Amino acid sequence: GQNIDQPTEMTATEGAIVQINCTYQTSGFNGLFWYQQHAGEAPTFLSYNVLDGLEEKGRFSSFLSRSKGYSYLLLKELQMKDSASYLCAVREAGGFKTIFGAGTRLFVKA
Amino acid sequence: ETGVTQTPRHLVMGMTNKKSLKCEQHLGHNAMYWYKQSAKKPLELMFVYNFKEQTENNSVPSRFSPECPNSSHLFLHLHTLQPEDSALYLCASSPGMNTGELFFGEGSRLTVL
Repeated sequence: GQNIDQPTEMTATEGAIVQINCTYQTSGFNGLFWYQQHAGEAPTFLSYNVLDGLEEKGRFSSFLSRSKGYSYLLLKELQMKDSASYLCAVREAGGFKTIFGAGTRLFVKA
Repeated sequence: ETGVTQTPRHLVMGMTNKKSLKCEQHLGHNAMYWYKQSAKKPLELMFVYNFKEQTENNSVPSRFSPECPNSSHLFLHLHTLQPEDSALYLCASSPGMNTGELFFGEGSRLTVL
């Protein structure tokens, strides 16, 4: 079956580091995405991993282990504006289906 | 501004009404999608169009009817909906079905009374 699991909510402190985990079981694999969605707004693209390893982009990094069906999003130097939902998504083999997790709501406190 | 525009942003309709959601993308993409987002549930893929041809209908009830007249425009026609269809309907596009990330519109918040 298809399943993407991520924690429902997390809370972290401004300036700290937070890691949001995602595990997946899907029909084949053709890349993993992380999106950010602020309340009432469209999801926006953060990162893409298709090979194992770490991709770094400024304060955000994403890691993938295909053999373990596991990814994480690492946010450094947290800012209040990072309070949002973070969506883990997997594009299935064949390419036309991107399956989403339910999202992790991150609360950043002062 | 993501380059994907959805109208209307909010829609309230009765169960016997007929309405349509519109999506337009200005990115030159070839693939367009409809997703449904309900509270605390994953985004559900509804329909996929590639070069204006439907490639996926993810077991969506027939009261939802998509239309894609060209690669830039996508509609979702709604008729005889149920209260449980109340949700945020998100349109997205990508360069190709197997290429690049999804660019989402702001969504149309639908309430069915």
